[in-house]
Amino acid sequence: EDKVVQSPLSLVVHEGDTVTLNCSYEVTNFRSLLWYKQEKKAPTFLFMLTSSGIEKKSGRLSSILDKKELFSILNITATQTGDSAVYLCAHQGGSEKLVFGKGTKLTVNP
Amino acid sequence: DVKVTQSSRYLVKRTGEKVFLECVQDMDHENMFWYRQDPGLGLRLIYFSYDVKMKEKGDIPEGYSVSREKKERFSLILESASTNQTSMYLCASIHSGANVLTFGAGSRLTVL
Repeated sequence: EDKVVQSPLSLVVHEGDTVTLNCSYEVTNFRSLLWYKQEKKAPTFLFMLTSSGIEKKSGRLSSILDKKELFSILNITATQTGDSAVYLCAHQGGSEKLVFGKGTKLTVNP
Repeated sequence: DVKVTQSSRYLVKRTGEKVFLECVQDMDHENMFWYRQDPGLGLRLIYFSYDVKMKEKGDIPEGYSVSREKKERFSLILESASTNQTSMYLCASIHSGANVLTFGAGSRLTVL
């Protein structure tokens, strides 16, 4: 059974800190790994990773995949209160369905 | 932009009532999904459909059924709601061969 494990489950930091969120996975057929950000409503897409070692970047957020060690990290530099959210990692395998981790709840205090 | 619309944002129902949650997408996606999201448990797949009239059980299908009579619409049905079905329900859709799932805004169901 495919599995996605995120750590930590929750994290509280101060504005300006840098955070690293972890996602490890066990899958039978790998197609892609995705990161989503969820505030009060629906998850919104952040990154899709398919190849090892290639960093994806968007502003202060970046993510990278290690297919050998079966994990991905999401980095957020110079955090702001608007980064407070639940960050979801999901794996997509041979079918169209995504398997999600439990999420990391990030709280950024002013 | 793909739009996934869930008809009810907030619902309050009584134990034993039949509940319909509707989801409509406007981008001709073949695949549609229903997840529920609970604190500490993340998103768990209830059912998904890869074509009209086709459905497959996800990880937690018990107590739920679905209907996909038209490509754009995927309904989640709780035949007899129970308090442990109080949750946030998220609908999503995706093109076959694509990677990025698009979510609706969610339906928060409370069963009293």
